[in-house]
Amino acid sequence: TQLLEQSPQFLSIQEGENLTVYCNSSSVFSSLQWYRQEPGEGPVLLVTVVTGGEVKKLKRLTFQFGDARKDSSLHITAAQPGDTGLYLCAGAPLTSSNTGKLIFGQGTTLQVKP
Amino acid sequence: SAVISQKPSRDICQRGTSLTIQCQVDSQVTMMFWYRQQPGQSLTLIATANQGSEATYESGFVIDKFPISRPNLTFSTLTVSNMSPEDSSIYLCSAERDRGLGYTFGSGTRLTVV
Repeated sequence: TQLLEQSPQFLSIQEGENLTVYCNSSSVFSSLQWYRQEPGEGPVLLVTVVTGGEVKKLKRLTFQFGDARKDSSLHITAAQPGDTGLYLCAGAPLTSSNTGKLIFGQGTTLQVKP
Repeated sequence: SAVISQKPSRDICQRGTSLTIQCQVDSQVTMMFWYRQQPGQSLTLIATANQGSEATYESGFVIDKFPISRPNLTFSTLTVSNMSPEDSSIYLCSAERDRGLGYTFGSGTRLTVV
């Protein structure tokens, strides 16, 4: 069974602090995606990384794909209350890339207090 | 990228009854996916819905309980049959945006079985 271990599962921080969320696996992924979900809504895609070692930035969010394409991180600088939500990483396994299936991490619930 | 309209957004159902959830995509997509999610937790794939063929179910999910239709490239339905309180969950549909670039999700159906 392919797993994507996401940590931490819960994070409660003050506005202005930095944080990092990690996703790790023993499997290789053809791509890895990060989603953010708010209550009552479906997950919304933040970024897709496809190249080992790739770094993408989205305003205060920095996403990194590991060199071996087995892990990824999401770093948020100077978190704001609007960043509050459920963050999900999801990988497309290399061995089943033609099925379109994704493996999801357990999710990280982030609360940013004003 | 595709936009998905999902309905109903929520429902409260009596045990033993069935509920059909609909997802309409604003563009043609090859594969659609149905997920189940407990609030604040990760997503579990139920099945992949392919147009012109039977859906492919993941381990633990069967067609008799979760029949799926995919009559064309823009529409799919998931039925939750003979419901019990254990079926109370959020059900989400999704479709691939562009190959390898991430997925779009419906806003979810929050089902409560009483």
